Formats: sequence, structure tokens, C-alpha cells
Amino acid sequence: EAQVTQNPRYLITVTGKKLTVTCSQNMNHEYMSWYRQDPGLGLRQIYYSMNVEVTDKGDVPEGYKVSRKEKRNFPLILESPSPNQTSLYFCASSLSLGVRETQYFGPGTRLLVL
Amino acid sequence: AQSVTQPDIHITVSEGASLELRCNYSYGATPYLFWYVQSPGQGLQLLLKYFSGDTLVQGIKGFEAEFKRSQSSFNLRKPSVHWSDAAEYFCAVAHGGATNKLIFGTGTLLAVQP
Repeated sequence: EAQVTQNPRYLITVTGKKLTVTCSQNMNHEYMSWYRQDPGLGLRQIYYSMNVEVTDKGDVPEGYKVSRKEKRNFPLILESPSPNQTSLYFCASSLSLGVRETQYFGPGTRLLVL
Repeated sequence: AQSVTQPDIHITVSEGASLELRCNYSYGATPYLFWYVQSPGQGLQLLLKYFSGDTLVQGIKGFEAEFKRSQSSFNLRKPSVHWSDAAEYFCAVAHGGATNKLIFGTGTLLAVQP
């Protein structure tokens, strides 16, 4: 089944403890991105990647890192999480760059930073 | 700057009643518009999209949307709502370019009364 998977689905952590949220897609998609969803703000893009080893900042990149060493994986790294990073995170992928490409979303990772 | 507005934060309809969710966009060129649905605990699923051509777009699950350039609107409709339609609905416009990001509205939460 074609899908985008994220792990973990739920995570509670403490301020400053490094964490990684994994994202994987099995559709051979070139383009991947991360969004965060906050009440009243909709979804905002954190980082995106056009292909392996090609990443760039989205609208709200502060406090996050990403890597794209393999085409299928695009992990989101919070090196020193803070409470304002408590949010619902979505990974998305599409076949290629382009407005006509449908973006497929993962199930989301709900993060609570104490 | 591009933006999407969903004026209704929360809507309640009775099962079997018709539904219309409003979406207004601000975009300089021809917009590429999307409606996504987020069921509880799930990721975002694409309902339909508009790129060009016929302004009435059919989607999955019996939804349709009409693009009205003169009103900068892309409202989502369904003639008869089912209890399983209870979810949060997001309108989005494709930013295009290198980021390929979607600019989302803040969402409309739909409740369905029996």
C-alpha cells in the first residue's frame, strides 16, 4: 500500500532532550516536507527536500533540523526541544516538485514538550 | 502574499442535510486549490483539487467544490452529509516554486448531529 509513515505517533518529552521523528514513504517520491499544525494557525511548512541531499527551510524552521540521506526517509530532528514546539507534526511527499503534484500526508505525530 | 481564509471555525449540520464550507483565497495568479479532510487521529486526505478548466470539481466521498474567480472563493459542498463526514476540513492553495508548499487555511471543524 502506498503510504507515508511517521514514528512515533505520540511523544512526550522534556525540554532539551533531543528527539527524532521519522518519516518514510514507499512511493519513490522526490519531494518531501514537514509541517506543523497548531490551533488557529493551520499547517505551516518547517522544512522541505527536493531530492536526496537537497533540503531547505520553510516558513518556521527555527529549532528544527532535517536530513535526506535516502530518498524514502526524511527525519525531523529537534536537538533541544522547547515547550513552544508542542504541536502536531505532519510529513508529506509528492512525486516531484510542482503545483500539480498531489501531496500525500502521513498520519501525524503529536508531540508534547514539558 | 498568498493566503487562505476559512471564515467558519466550527459548523454543525444534521445528518442528511446539505453542507457548504467556505474558502476564500488571495493569490495573484491562477490559483491551484485543494480541499483536504482530516478525520480524528488521521492524516490529511485529499478530497479534490482545482487547476484549471471546469470550475465545478468533483471529488471523493461525494464532495464537490466550485471555483469562483470573481469572488476569490473555492467553497466545498455536499448535498447530503453522513455521520462519517464529521472531521476537520482544510482548504489550501499551492504556493508553487521551489518550496512547493501548500498554504493552508485554519480549518473548519464539522460536527454532524444525528
